[in-house]
Amino acid sequence: EVQVVESGGGLVRPGGSLRLSCVASGFIFRNYTMHWVRLAPGKGLEWVSYISNTGSARYYAASVKGRFTISRDNAKNSLFLQMNSLRDEDTAVYYCARGWFCGATSCSMDDSFDVWGQGTSLTVST
Amino acid sequence: VVMTQSPLSLPVTLGQPASISCTSSQSLVYSGGDTYLNWFQLRPGQSPRRLIYKVSNRDSGVPDRFSGSGSGTDFTLNISRVEAEDVGVYYCMQGSHWPPWTFGQGTKVEIK
Repeated sequence: EVQVVESGGGLVRPGGSLRLSCVASGFIFRNYTMHWVRLAPGKGLEWVSYISNTGSARYYAASVKGRFTISRDNAKNSLFLQMNSLRDEDTAVYYCARGWFCGATSCSMDDSFDVWGQGTSLTVST
Repeated sequence: VVMTQSPLSLPVTLGQPASISCTSSQSLVYSGGDTYLNWFQLRPGQSPRRLIYKVSNRDSGVPDRFSGSGSGTDFTLNISRVEAEDVGVYYCMQGSHWPPWTFGQGTKVEIK
C-alpha cells in the first residue's frame, strides 16, 4: 500500500524548535518530489515547502522562509521539516504529500499531491 | 497566483447537484499545454484527498458524481447528486506556476 506517515508534532513554546518526520512506503521514494502542507485551525490548506527527488532543489512559502528547512534521506525513505523560531501562527496540522514522479531525465507533474499522510499536529503556545 | 473560490459556504439538499467555482489570477495553462488544476476534499477528521487532477481527470476510487471542468482561469467542480458523505471542505489548487503552489480558500459543503 502506498502511504506516508508523519510524526514529531507536539506543543512548543514561541521561539522554540521542532523537527517533523514523514516515512514513505509502497513506492520508490527517491523517484518522487515531496511537499509539506499545513492546515491551521479555522484556516485553509497552505503549502509550506517542496523538495526535489534528489534534494537539490528546495522551495518555501514566504511565511516560513528562513525559519523552516526541508530535507530528505532517500536511503531511509524519509522526509523532514526542521522548524525553528516557531510562532503562534505556525500552529497547524502538518501533512506530507507526494509530489511529481521523476525519471532519469524528466518529471511528470500529473502525480502531484496524490498521496497524503494523516498529519501531525503542532501547537505553538505559552 | 491567487486562487479564488465561490461560494465559501454551500448548503445543499441530499440528492441535489452542487457546483463550486474556482478562478485563478492568471492562466493555468503550463508551457507543455497541460493545465495543472486539482480539486481536493477534506472531510471532518480526515486527511485531504485529491479528487480531480489536470482540471477534469478523476482519481481512482472517486465516485463518478464528481466532475471537473474549465480552462484558462475559470474552473468548476460539480457534484451531480450530493450524498451525506460529501460533507466537508473542498479546495482547488494550482500547480502550473510554482513556487508557491496555491490553494483556494476552501468551500464548505453542508447538508441543509
